[in-house]
Amino acid sequence: AQKVTQAQTEISVVEKEDVTLDCVYETRDTTYYLFWYKQPPSGELVFLIRRNSFDEQNEISGRYSWNFQKSTSSFNFTITASQVVDSAVYFCALSEVNDMRFGAGTRLTVKP
Amino acid sequence: NAGVTQTPKFQVLKTGQSMTLQCAQDMNHEYMSWYRQDPGMGLRLIHYSVGAGITDQGEVPNGYNVSRSTTEDFPLRLLSAAPSQTSVYFCASSYSGGNINEQFFGPGTRLTVL
Repeated sequence: AQKVTQAQTEISVVEKEDVTLDCVYETRDTTYYLFWYKQPPSGELVFLIRRNSFDEQNEISGRYSWNFQKSTSSFNFTITASQVVDSAVYFCALSEVNDMRFGAGTRLTVKP
Repeated sequence: NAGVTQTPKFQVLKTGQSMTLQCAQDMNHEYMSWYRQDPGMGLRLIHYSVGAGITDQGEVPNGYNVSRSTTEDFPLRLLSAAPSQTSVYFCASSYSGGNINEQFFGPGTRLTVL
């Protein structure tokens, strides 16, 4: 069965520090999709990125970047120059059609 | 657009009671799903639907029923509530193609079973 592991339960950084959130996945399928979602203190879930298994290009969106490496089954998320507003729980997720598995989440606290 | 709406926001039940959590979306999405979120476990898929009249089980379906009579609505029924069903429940929807696409989540329902 597919599985997502986010080994970092909680991370605390000071504003302007860079921080990387790790995500390791397990799957037997060759076609799959990887996601990151953000859950701020208000509780809603916000989509950040989707990556399919055939696209290993890294992606950058402003201060956010994602590193997808099939060789190590990892899909890590880096926030550059973190801000207090980045404080949230971040979930990595793995999807094979009609089955979705989330990691346990990493709680990121950015202190001023 | 209201997006995905869920009612109620909070609910307290006694063991053995039944209830329905409501979920509606106004984006004409074919795919809808229900998740539960428990501390330290992320979100787990309960049931999903790929279109009106079609539902299927996810990872943790026991104790829950769903139906999809319209594209807009996807209610989740707890048949006989148990304390183990205390959780935060999220409904989500996405374009056709199942959960390989971005999902839009509702605000959640916090359920406590005493």
